[in-house]
Amino acid sequence: EAQVTQNPRYLITVTGKKLTVTCSQNMNHEYMSWYRQDPGLGLRQIYYSMNVEVTDKGDVPEGYKVSRKEKRNFPLILESPSPNQTSLYFCASRTSWVANTGELFFGEGSRLTVL
Amino acid sequence: DQQVKQNSPSLSVQEGRISILNCDYTNSMFDYFLWYKKYPAEGPTFLISISSIKDKNEDGRFTVFLNKSAKHLSLHIVPSQPGDSAVYFCAASGDTNAGKSTFGDGTTLTVKP
Repeated sequence: EAQVTQNPRYLITVTGKKLTVTCSQNMNHEYMSWYRQDPGLGLRQIYYSMNVEVTDKGDVPEGYKVSRKEKRNFPLILESPSPNQTSLYFCASRTSWVANTGELFFGEGSRLTVL
Repeated sequence: DQQVKQNSPSLSVQEGRISILNCDYTNSMFDYFLWYKKYPAEGPTFLISISSIKDKNEDGRFTVFLNKSAKHLSLHIVPSQPGDSAVYFCAASGDTNAGKSTFGDGTTLTVKP
């Protein structure tokens, strides 16, 4: 089954404790992206990757890191989480980095709480 | 500066009637638009898209209209069904910055039986 898998789905952590949210897709997609969803703010893009070893900032990259060493994986790293990073996170992928070639496929989301 | 806006946070319609969800954008470089639907505790799923070379795209009960001069698009659902109750996001992107996708805040649609 074609899917985007995120882990963990739920996490409660404390300020400053490094964490990684993993994202994996099995569709051989070139493009992957991370979003956060906050009440009243829709989906805001954190980072994206057009292909292996090619990443770039979205609209809200502060406090996050990413890497794309393999095509299927795009982990989101919070080196020193803070309470304002409490949010619902979505990973997504698309066949090609070209914008008008199709839709994004989303994971089920990871709800992160930073105390 | 919010480049994609959905000005109605919520919409309630009766089953069988038409639902119209609106989206406005400010960036004239956007040339590809998509609508996504999101149920609680799930990720968004793709619904329908439209390229700027078209002004209408239809898929079953769902039609998207694009008015480039007004920088406005709308999603029509006819007839509306209770299972359509969800949050709907409008998204836009452009080839000049192909990696970026900009989403609206979402509209919560409730279809009453």
